[in-house]
Amino acid sequence: DGGITQSPKYLFRKEGQNVTLSCEQNLNHDAMYWYRQDPGQGLRLIYYSQIVNDFQKGDIAEGYSVSREKKESFPLTVTSAQKNPTAFYLCASSTGAGGRDEQFFGPGTRLTVL
Amino acid sequence: AQSVAQPEDQVNVAEGNPLTVKCTYSVSGNPYLFWYVQYPNRGLQFLLKYITGDNLVKGSYGFEAEFNKSQTSFHLKKPSALVSDSALYFCAVRGSSWGKLQFGAGTQVVVTP
Repeated sequence: DGGITQSPKYLFRKEGQNVTLSCEQNLNHDAMYWYRQDPGQGLRLIYYSQIVNDFQKGDIAEGYSVSREKKESFPLTVTSAQKNPTAFYLCASSTGAGGRDEQFFGPGTRLTVL
Repeated sequence: AQSVAQPEDQVNVAEGNPLTVKCTYSVSGNPYLFWYVQYPNRGLQFLLKYITGDNLVKGSYGFEAEFNKSQTSFHLKKPSALVSDSALYFCAVRGSSWGKLQFGAGTQVVVTP
């Protein structure tokens, strides 16, 4: 089956720790995205990548880092510099075809800081 | 700058009645408009989009949306709601050039039997 997988489903972090969220897609999409979802605030863009080995900051990139070494993979690291990381994190991908394409979302990772 | 407004935090409707979820937007240029649905603790599922052409767009699960340029709106509709339609609905907009997808805050739909 084609789709996007995210792991783990639930993640607990102690203060001061870095954690990495996995996102893999087998849709052969060029573009990938990371969003953060907080109650009542919709989705906010953290980072996005239009092509392998290239990525750009979104609206709330501070305290996060990403890499795009393979087309299929776009991991997100939540660093200790992110002061309020407890949230639901969603990864998405799209064909990247000039803005007309819809994004396909993974099932999400819920991160909780202990 | 682009923005999306979903003026209702929650919409309550009885099963079998029409369902409408409102969305207004602001972009420079022609908009690309999208509706997504999210069930609890799940990712978003794409419902439909407006790119160009007919103002009435039909999508998945019996949903449709009408693009109104003069009112800058893209309301989601379903003629007869089901209990299984209870979920969180997001409207999103992107300007005509490649740009970020801007999401609204979401509208919780509750359909009662």
